[in-house]
Amino acid sequence: AQTVTQSQPEMSVQEAETVTLSCTYDTSESDYYLFWYKQPPSRQMILVIRQEAYKQQNATENRFSVNFQKAAKSFSLKISDSQLGDAAMYFCAYWGDDKIIFGKGTRLHILP
Amino acid sequence: KAGVTQTPRYLIKTRGQQVTLSCSPISGHRSVSWYQQTPGQGLQFLFEYFSETQRNKGNFPGRFSGRQFSNSRSEMNVSTLELGDSALYLCASSLYPAGDAEAFFGQGTRLTVV
Repeated sequence: AQTVTQSQPEMSVQEAETVTLSCTYDTSESDYYLFWYKQPPSRQMILVIRQEAYKQQNATENRFSVNFQKAAKSFSLKISDSQLGDAAMYFCAYWGDDKIIFGKGTRLHILP
Repeated sequence: KAGVTQTPRYLIKTRGQQVTLSCSPISGHRSVSWYQQTPGQGLQFLFEYFSETQRNKGNFPGRFSGRQFSNSRSEMNVSTLELGDSALYLCASSLYPAGDAEAFFGQGTRLTVV
């Protein structure tokens, strides 16, 4: 069965600094998608970034980028120039075999 | 355009009752997925509907069911409620089956079972 592991329950970063959130997953599938979602206090999930497993190039969305290591089954999220609005719960998710599996989440605190 | 709308936002039910939650997707979206979020289990996938057909289902008992109407609106039903069903229920809509297209989430329905 597929699993997604986020080993950092909480992290803190100084405003304007860079932070990396870790995610590892386990699957025997070769074709799948990986996502990072942000859940602010409003509880509404927002897609941060999406990566297709067949693409070697790492996805980037403005200040957000990923380091996708398919062989190592690792999918970390880097947030550059952290802003107060980035404070939220971040979930790594795997979509494959018509099912989505979420990690337990990492709560990110931004220190002013 | 309007986002994903979930109603009601909050709900309190008694153990043994049943409940129906509603999700109106973004106009034009044909896929609706449902998720349960609890502090203990985290976010778990319930099921996905696409064009009125259930495409796949997570590992939940048969008390959890859903359906999708021709206008893509979806309902989720939980029968014989248990205390452990207390959770935030999220739905998400997308143009294509989830995974193939970006999913947009609603604000959720907070269900409390007493």
